[in-house]
Amino acid sequence: DTGVSQDPRHKITKRGQNVTFRCDPISEHNRLYWYRQTLGQGPEFLTYFQNEAQLEKSRLLSDRFSAERPKGSFSTLEIQRTEQGDSAMYLCASSSITSGRAYEQYFGPGTRLTVT
Amino acid sequence: KQEVTQIPAALSVPEGENLVLNCSFTDSAIYNLQWFRQDPGKGLTSLLLIQSSQREQTSGRLNASLDKSSGRSTLYIAASQPGDSATYLCAVDNSGGSNYKLTFGKGTLLTVNP
Repeated sequence: DTGVSQDPRHKITKRGQNVTFRCDPISEHNRLYWYRQTLGQGPEFLTYFQNEAQLEKSRLLSDRFSAERPKGSFSTLEIQRTEQGDSAMYLCASSSITSGRAYEQYFGPGTRLTVT
Repeated sequence: KQEVTQIPAALSVPEGENLVLNCSFTDSAIYNLQWFRQDPGKGLTSLLLIQSSQREQTSGRLNASLDKSSGRSTLYIAASQPGDSATYLCAVDNSGGSNYKLTFGKGTLLTVNP
């Protein structure tokens, strides 16, 4: 299997601009997760999908954030009207409930967002 | 609300030393615990996953133990090498066994000196 991929790896944007990140999960993984990690902290859960259905969103995910997973394959995370506090590493992970390691999440390399 | 604490926050050891990293969690009703490694500026690599019914897991020089009743896990690294230098993160799943929401500690930054 190829691993989880994320694009772009780095994004610098000005405050107020919109940004969109993409995550491609491991092939045939039906679960996809988004986390956010700030400097010196562990990742914090944002949202997750099972196939194309978004089943939970954290309170961290304000109205400016939206995530989609059309057709249950890749996912996008959009941040509108970015703020400096949005600067963080955005991590995507995937897992398969049908595999022998159903509970294990595999992470991508992350997208580092810097809002200036 | 689940809280995960990792001690120490940073650790520096000479090459070849055996070491233990600690993880504690406040809500013992967990289903799984996972240890990850994170290199600077990179994503997370899963090292070991312990299901709640297990007490330990081993992979090469790594051994992770779980004591649910006391809310503790340890990661033992034998014969440390400079390539082991990284941040080690512990994460617990107490989302009803569906593993859709991991709660992470802040990590332990390990430096192994040649």
